[in-house]
Amino acid sequence: GNSVTQMEGPVTLSEEAFLTINCTYTATGYPSLFWYVQYPGEGLQLLLKATKADDKGSNKGFEATYRKETTSFHLEKGSVQVSDSAVYFCALKGGATNKLIFGTGTLLAVQP
Amino acid sequence: NAGVTQTPKFQVLKTGQSMTLQCAQDMNHNSMYWYRQDPGMGLRLIYYSASEGTTDKGEVPNGYNVSRLNKREFSLRLESAAPSQTSVYFCAGSLSSGTSGQQFFGPGTRLTVL
Repeated sequence: GNSVTQMEGPVTLSEEAFLTINCTYTATGYPSLFWYVQYPGEGLQLLLKATKADDKGSNKGFEATYRKETTSFHLEKGSVQVSDSAVYFCALKGGATNKLIFGTGTLLAVQP
Repeated sequence: NAGVTQTPKFQVLKTGQSMTLQCAQDMNHNSMYWYRQDPGMGLRLIYYSASEGTTDKGEVPNGYNVSRLNKREFSLRLESAAPSQTSVYFCAGSLSSGTSGQQFFGPGTRLTVL
């Protein structure tokens, strides 16, 4: 079945450091891929998405490229801020329904 | 627009008690979902409703029931709460199947079962 594996946290970085959170997936066909972010005490919100191979999703300085050859969708940001501290979830949508399969989440803590 | 709203925000139950978690959306979503979030487990789908009048089991449906009351509302019921149901519950909505897949989440209900 479909599944998502993402790197375990927590990830602790200093402000302005480079961020990578790894995500790999297993799926049949051509899933859509997503990164969601959850700020403390809130629900999840969509950060970025990519719907086909080689697409790059981007938002708020974050980027992720859909790599079908390595079944990956790694999240990157060149310079993190304290306000980026949150839990990040990788997810995929496969098939005709809009059901999402989530990874376990990665906690990012950015220190000033 | 309020988006996706959930009530209550917090709840403490004793083992064996029942309760209903309420979810409503004003975003004209056809599909709605209930998830639970547990440490180290990510979000797991409990039930979903692809459209008004239909409901289907997700990954972890045991111990829960749902009702899609109308297009706006999708409730989750625990008939006899157990400590294993201590979790944070999220409701979400999305447009029809076959579209982008983006889901919009409510703020969550933190449930503790003693």
